[in-house]
Amino acid sequence: GENVEQHPSTLSVQEGDSAVIKCTYSDSASNYFPWYKQELGKRPQLIIDIRSNVGEKKDQRIAVTLNKTAKHFSLHITETQPEDSAVYFCAGSNFGNEKLTFGTGTRLTIIP
Amino acid sequence: EADIYQTPRYLVIGTGKKITLECSQTMGHDKMYWYQQDPGMELHLIHYSYGVNSTEKGDLSSESTVSRIRTEHFPLTLESARPSHTSQYLCASSERQGLGNTIYFGEGSWLTVV
Repeated sequence: GENVEQHPSTLSVQEGDSAVIKCTYSDSASNYFPWYKQELGKRPQLIIDIRSNVGEKKDQRIAVTLNKTAKHFSLHITETQPEDSAVYFCAGSNFGNEKLTFGTGTRLTIIP
Repeated sequence: EADIYQTPRYLVIGTGKKITLECSQTMGHDKMYWYQQDPGMELHLIHYSYGVNSTEKGDLSSESTVSRIRTEHFPLTLESARPSHTSQYLCASSERQGLGNTIYFGEGSWLTVV
């Protein structure tokens, strides 16, 4: 089955700087990679996703890149703000399986 | 965003008690899931269903059971709760959107077994 590894487990960034979270996956058939943000005491919420037919996707300050050859994908947050502090989860699945496999999460702290 | 409702949101029960966590979604999604999560930690899939009368065990072994008699309803039951069951339980549902399977989570049920 799919195995998704996520790094780092914790990340502290000065407000205004950029943050990068990286994930690798094992199943070359995986073709869908969402990112979820979970604020303290709240549910995980989808913030951005990417499918295998594109290499990069942006949404305002958030971007995700995908390297299918190397089997890794990354979340980039620019101009970080205090409200970006949360736990972020990457995930992967393939169209046939349809079951998401989550990474272990990254706790991002934005330092004012 | 999908509407997924979980009850109770918070529950404290004694060891040995039976508990059912309710989950309902109003979006007509075929697929539903239960995840177990300690605060800020990994999301562990414990059960999933791809439709009515379909249930499967997830990646993390769990003593809980589930049923799917109606599309919108996916309850989780613990026959005899133990302190090790103390955790947050997140229900989720999904619809297929092109390539991929976007999952929407409920607000969670926090269970404490004393």
